[in-house]
Amino acid sequence: DAKTTQPPSMDCAEGRAANLPCNHSTISGNEYVYWYRQIHSQGPQYIIHGLKNNETNEMASLIITEDRKSSTLILPHATLRDTAVYYCIVRVLNEGSQGNLIFGKGTKLSVKP
Amino acid sequence: KAGVTQTPRYLIKTRGQQVTLSCSPISGHRSVSWYQQTPGQGLQFLFEYFSETQRNKGNFPGRFSGRQFSNSRSEMNVSTLELGDSALYLCASRHGTGQGVAGYTFGSGTRLTVV
Repeated sequence: DAKTTQPPSMDCAEGRAANLPCNHSTISGNEYVYWYRQIHSQGPQYIIHGLKNNETNEMASLIITEDRKSSTLILPHATLRDTAVYYCIVRVLNEGSQGNLIFGKGTKLSVKP
Repeated sequence: KAGVTQTPRYLIKTRGQQVTLSCSPISGHRSVSWYQQTPGQGLQFLFEYFSETQRNKGNFPGRFSGRQFSNSRSEMNVSTLELGDSALYLCASRHGTGQGVAGYTFGSGTRLTVV
């Protein structure tokens, strides 16, 4: 599995966009980029995933570079409730395959009023 | 629809005892995974079950075991508890087939304290 590198912490002002970077320079062609977040004392929450194309859902946008060696998770209008640890995970999770998530240390995002 | 349900939420056990934790996945989800989270080691994968079969296992001693029932509910057991087993134990489920690369849904966890 490809290793990911994330900054340990970031701050963001409430109402502004939060851009969380992730480097995954050894990603292979069939590996997806997944983002999860964990709010204190809760289980991780799935946010979004992508393979090559940029993706958007009701929670966030995922921008993957053309060479797929890095990606950025964008929370368009951060709120205090977005304060959490954000994990970028690269993994093959195809149908029927063995699947486990390998969590690194993630980025602790603090949204400030 | 109901999420992943883990019981109990909190548990205090004594060293040397054993413990059983329970996880009910989202209805229709056939894959259940277990993770251990500690401040020092972070989130670590324990094992994954699909259709009552363990199909993947993390690097934990044999004191950690699990099983899955025909209704996809899963239990994990830790025998001969050690102080270092104090952790948040998380269960996650996913469809497993059909949806391909769908993400996992996690429960809120069971916080185990060994004294």
